[in-house]
Amino acid sequence: QVQLQESGPGLVKASETLSLTCRISGDSITSDHWVWVRQAPGKGLQWIGYIYYTGSTTYNPSLKSRVTISIDTSRAQFSLNLGSVTAADTAIYYCARDDSRGLPIWGQGTLVTVSS
Amino acid sequence: QSPLTQPPSVSGSPGQRVIISCVGSTSDIGRNSVNWYQHLPGTAPKLLIHSSTVRPSGVPDRFSGSTSGTSASLAISGLQSEDEADYYCASWGDNPTGMYIFGTGTKVTVL
Repeated sequence: QVQLQESGPGLVKASETLSLTCRISGDSITSDHWVWVRQAPGKGLQWIGYIYYTGSTTYNPSLKSRVTISIDTSRAQFSLNLGSVTAADTAIYYCARDDSRGLPIWGQGTLVTVSS
Repeated sequence: QSPLTQPPSVSGSPGQRVIISCVGSTSDIGRNSVNWYQHLPGTAPKLLIHSSTVRPSGVPDRFSGSTSGTSASLAISGLQSEDEADYYCASWGDNPTGMYIFGTGTKVTVL
């Protein structure tokens, strides 16, 4: 049973970079795409982007200038960096697996608060 | 690209059938399949329907999906108290570039 676990700071200062990691267990990272999704307080789900094990990425155009998703296959984990954060980036961040038929596996989510 | 449009809320009594609509465009639902997610507060979203109509293993057959043109629908039959949650549709959008688009979300309330 594949499991995903997000980790990273719960508090980030405005203008700095938000960095999160998602560790994969129970399955190979060299399959499917690996995704980041977020949900701001009181808002809906927003797809941030995804990465394939080869390193190929696709980002949400609205975040593209600030986002980098990377992958470390040797450690079975992938990461999210979001630069120049503001209060609008405060959200629960989820990592997930995209098997081309949707997102069947999700991490539990981690709350990141941007402080001024 | 704009989120897919869903009604903010729908409600029904136990045992009733409710339908959640999801309106997109020719750049997303009009050319790509739709997925549906159930999201309970404090938990991870759960994939309910993929490929517009397919239920993953373990999802009750009370949940069903359909599409027509640039719109999609999720029907919940025999509504149960545990169905009270937020529901999101999602589809790939191709304009201007490929990205996964979620709907605005619908809160289902069981009266």
